[in-house]
Amino acid sequence: DAKTTQPPSMDCAEGRAANLPCNHSTISGNEYVYWYRQIHSQGPQYIIHGLKNNETNEMASLIITEDRKSSTLILPHATLRDTAVYYCIVRALQGGSEKLVFGKGTKLTVNP
Amino acid sequence: DAGVIQSPRHEVTEMGQEVTLRCKPISGHDYLFWYRQTMMRGLELLIYFNNNVPIDDSGMPEDRFSAKMPNASFSTLKIQPSEPRDSAVYFCASSLSSGKNEQFFGPGTRLTVL
Repeated sequence: DAKTTQPPSMDCAEGRAANLPCNHSTISGNEYVYWYRQIHSQGPQYIIHGLKNNETNEMASLIITEDRKSSTLILPHATLRDTAVYYCIVRALQGGSEKLVFGKGTKLTVNP
Repeated sequence: DAGVIQSPRHEVTEMGQEVTLRCKPISGHDYLFWYRQTMMRGLELLIYFNNNVPIDDSGMPEDRFSAKMPNASFSTLKIQPSEPRDSAVYFCASSLSSGKNEQFFGPGTRLTVL
């Protein structure tokens, strides 16, 4: 699976959009971009995933660049409960491996 | 569904003792994963099962660790004998073999080996 690079920490004001970047310059054509988050003392939680088109769900939006070498997770109106570590993971959806390889992620702190 | 259930939530034991962690996946999920999380190493996959069969145990640290899945609704992770360096939070997760492969994580078991 391709490696990802994320900033170790970010801050965001409550009510503002949080934009979390992820670099995955070695991503392969069959690899998807996944985002999970882990709120303190809880298990990781799936947020969203995408291949090349932008995706949106009730939690967030995922913007993937045209060359697919980077992406941005957007929380449109961050709340204090969005304070968590956010993990960007790239992996192939097929190929027999169901593994998720977690890096260090970005610790997002939402401030009041 | 109640989600992935893990027990116990906290375990404190002494070095050399046997520890058994338990997991009940979400009903209908055919994949089950065991992870370990420490400050030093982050979140690591230990082993995963598909339809109760171990598929990849390359993350299991050593022979002291073993995992079983006797049926679709129950799995155990056993450490025997336990050592202080095994202290960590152990997560169980499950997923469907669908295209999205979203993994649902349990609340974790915090293990402390004295």
